[in-house]
Amino acid sequence: GAGVSQSPRYKVAKRGQDVALRCDPISGHVSLFWYQQALGQGPEFLTYFQNEAQLDKSGLPSDRFFAERPEGSVSTLKIQRTQQEDSAVYLCASSLGYSSGVRFSYNEQFFGPGTRLTVL
Amino acid sequence: QKEVEQDPGPLSVPEGAIVSLNCTYSNSAFQYFMWYRQYSRKGPELLMYTYSSGNKEDGRFTAQVDKSSKYISLFIRDSQPSDSATYLCATNAGGTSYGKLTFGQGTILTVHP
Repeated sequence: GAGVSQSPRYKVAKRGQDVALRCDPISGHVSLFWYQQALGQGPEFLTYFQNEAQLDKSGLPSDRFFAERPEGSVSTLKIQRTQQEDSAVYLCASSLGYSSGVRFSYNEQFFGPGTRLTVL
Repeated sequence: QKEVEQDPGPLSVPEGAIVSLNCTYSNSAFQYFMWYRQYSRKGPELLMYTYSSGNKEDGRFTAQVDKSSKYISLFIRDSQPSDSATYLCATNAGGTSYGKLTFGQGTILTVHP
């Protein structure tokens, strides 16, 4: 399909385990975002990539969270030593890209279906 | 206090009703305002997007932004059971914020036949 895909769709981890969540953005999309959506809440920003550069990681909750996009396409969100409070849906979104400053123009973010992480 | 506040509902209406969904925000830098719809077990999908204050209409959907009162609204006319979903308002500051979105909590809407 032509949309954003994420894998796995569901992940159950025991507390203390490491997990890796994958995102395949729409081909040609420069910008890639990760969001965390807790039950009954709206998505919260985690981190942003422009091509392979991670330009903002201010939303990552702790140093146990790490994201990468080494070739500017597929991205992986890794969570080390998972805790129960990490249980949430992790959403990936991609867009054509953004200029900045006065040249800013909004481009639609397309979301994947998310990975539901449950930490026992 | 969150930057974007949204009444979580839930909201239950009969088919054909007019639905009003609302958000308030606190950051004056926000310039772009979006409404997303999220079905169960799916990612959010963009419904409407407006820049600055004003109204925008798309079929049965109308989005309103009042920057003076920092108030965002979405109206759904002739609501259908297929409109049953969670509706999320979202904002973006533009400029150097690239595309980072700040979401409200989401309102759960059920339209019953």
